Amino acid sequence: GAGVSQTPSNKVTEKGKYVELRCDPISGHTALYWYRQSLGQGPEFLIYFQGTGAADDSGLPNDRFFAVRPEGSVSTLKIQRTERGDSAVYLCASSLTPWGEGNTEAFFGQGTRLTVV
Amino acid sequence: AQKVTQAQTEISVVEKEDVTLDCVYETRDTTYYLFWYKQPPSGELVFLIRRNSFDEQNEISGRYSWNFQKSTSSFNFTITASQVVDSAVYFCALRYNTDKLIFGTGTRLQVFP
Repeated sequence: GAGVSQTPSNKVTEKGKYVELRCDPISGHTALYWYRQSLGQGPEFLIYFQGTGAADDSGLPNDRFFAVRPEGSVSTLKIQRTERGDSAVYLCASSLTPWGEGNTEAFFGQGTRLTVV
Repeated sequence: AQKVTQAQTEISVVEKEDVTLDCVYETRDTTYYLFWYKQPPSGELVFLIRRNSFDEQNEISGRYSWNFQKSTSSFNFTITASQVVDSAVYFCALRYNTDKLIFGTGTRLQVFP
């Protein structure tokens, strides 16, 4: 596609349920990033993939959060036993190469707004 | 510690006014990058500019200009002759020796006609 696509755009779930958030990066982009944005805050880093592997998952808040990118393209962020504090907008970004290499920019999707009730 | 501070939570101006959004950063690294992003109501973060720590030259792009001063650890953003379409939340961000971006808390700009 033309840009980074995230689905669903909105997700309401009950406390304790399991959710999956999907990110379709720009075709050919090897690097993929997940960020979480709480109301009134700037985005916070969660995890970064280079290809199929998670190069840095230091931002995942706890073991209820997990992300995969099995074929080096689409990524899924998985949240188990959701809590009300998980409510936020989850943003995905992709770049042609990692930010650390040259002047490659990252392009963000419109995010998935997750509400845990 | 690595940190980005945007002290202005919200700014309101009338169309055609000039407005400056402040950004102060903290980092121990000598090599780093600074960014500005725009987040319109649609939610998507739109890249505006990147500046590396070795290039203090100010930049102008149309109505936008950026003032990078290492002496005060600031990277301020000015919109000249603001327009209603400039209304959005603007984020300043820092990247150092990793692939992570550290964002400030953002400044909400409202431009009234």
